[in-house]
Amino acid sequence: EVQLLESGGGLVQPGGSLRLSCTASGFTFSHYAMSWVRQAPGRGLEWVSAISGSGGVTYDADSVKGRFTISRDNSKNTLYLQMNRLRAEDTAIYYCAKDQSVVALSPNYFDPWGQGTLVTVSS
Amino acid sequence: SYVLTQPPSVSVAPGKTATITCGGNNIGTKSVHWYQQKPGQAPLVVIYYDGDRPSGIPERFSGSNSGNTATLTISGVEAGDEADYYCQVWDSSSDHYVFGTGTKVTVL
Repeated sequence: EVQLLESGGGLVQPGGSLRLSCTASGFTFSHYAMSWVRQAPGRGLEWVSAISGSGGVTYDADSVKGRFTISRDNSKNTLYLQMNRLRAEDTAIYYCAKDQSVVALSPNYFDPWGQGTLVTVSS
Repeated sequence: SYVLTQPPSVSVAPGKTATITCGGNNIGTKSVHWYQQKPGQAPLVVIYYDGDRPSGIPERFSGSNSGNTATLTISGVEAGDEADYYCQVWDSSSDHYVFGTGTKVTVL
């Protein structure tokens, strides 16, 4: 069974940093691109970042470009999101999601999703 | 940036048909995916590549895509279908994934 488990969320002050992790199991991790998608309280889904299966190619939404960095360690079956210079508007549940091919940013869908980890940016 | 517009809410009686639209410029040229999200849960894909259905998703769920509108149709709606639904595409011009604004389906 394919499973994704996020961790690392919590309360952080504006301007602070946080690193999220997503541990994968049940599939050959390096064969699939991965993404982070967030959802602010009571709001819709927003794609954040994507990374290819090898980790060599990454993409970021304009709202996080230059502040967030997506990476992966295929030897540990783990996806990361390093979040710096956090703002109140970054408060959200952050989901990791598995793409359907090794190539990121393609006409593919996300399946499955992890259960999410909550990030709260507040003083 | 590419924008996907959905109606905020759709109400439907049990056993009837719910139709959820997703509007975007020439969306018919893109592959559209649909997700169901129930309160407190992660999204779940219910339709992919416009009209394909994952295993385990009831045949009541179907999708189509043409012109400037993609559509998710839920036939014979059940109480358990009450959820938020999101469409999603890949916008090649910006290299971004894009989600629709979301539609809350209420079963009367």
